[in-house]
Amino acid sequence: VQLVESGGGLVKPGGSLRLSCAASGMTFRNAWMSWVRQGPGKGLEWIGRIKSRTDGGTTDYATPVKGRFTISRDDSKNTLYLQMNSLKTEDTGVYYCATHKVETNSFDYWGQGTLVTVSS
Amino acid sequence: DIVMTQSPDSLAVSLGERATINCRSSETLLYISNNKNYLAWYQQKSGQPPKLLFYWASTRESGVPDRFSGSGSGTDFTLTISSLQAEDVATYYCQQYYSLPWTFGQGTRVEIK
Repeated sequence: VQLVESGGGLVKPGGSLRLSCAASGMTFRNAWMSWVRQGPGKGLEWIGRIKSRTDGGTTDYATPVKGRFTISRDDSKNTLYLQMNSLKTEDTGVYYCATHKVETNSFDYWGQGTLVTVSS
Repeated sequence: DIVMTQSPDSLAVSLGERATINCRSSETLLYISNNKNYLAWYQQKSGQPPKLLFYWASTRESGVPDRFSGSGSGTDFTLTISSLQAEDVATYYCQQYYSLPWTFGQGTRVEIK
């Protein structure tokens, strides 16, 4: 299994960014996927999850990002997305995509992460 | 939200000695209907993504050395490294997946004394 994030970079407060996570070596369409972020020198924070289409394809989000971030997936491209709008300085950090271990909501495969910096 | 609190924040252990990390949740993580604790442990080495060590509090992920063990139930959990090796230097996190939003402990940094 390989997960490769991309799309990070420097953005001004109030701006937008879209992250991608390309998956390989797995049956992506069956996977539940999450985004987890880590602020500079800080701990891990789960920010959102999307279920597989067969399980409804629904999303859930952590309170700090609800209404600003949107998770989507393109199973034909084996790719997960995170659309981030109205970015704040506190959104700065490394963003990881991760797969859910089957029948649990622990995370068994992680990408290497992509850095998002929100600064004026 | 369920609050996860780890202790200590950091510890230094001699090579070959035991390291013990505690994790306490603000609510029970034990689901009575299946008798499972909805808790995971991760190891994160510097500059790397986290690595899953345990799920269901004590089920070791494939490939994890057996010097690592997970225990506990309800609200109190422990990760033990029975004989610390140099490659175990890392920050360790617990995570609850009992209820949304899933939350992590603040992390415990393990170093060599």
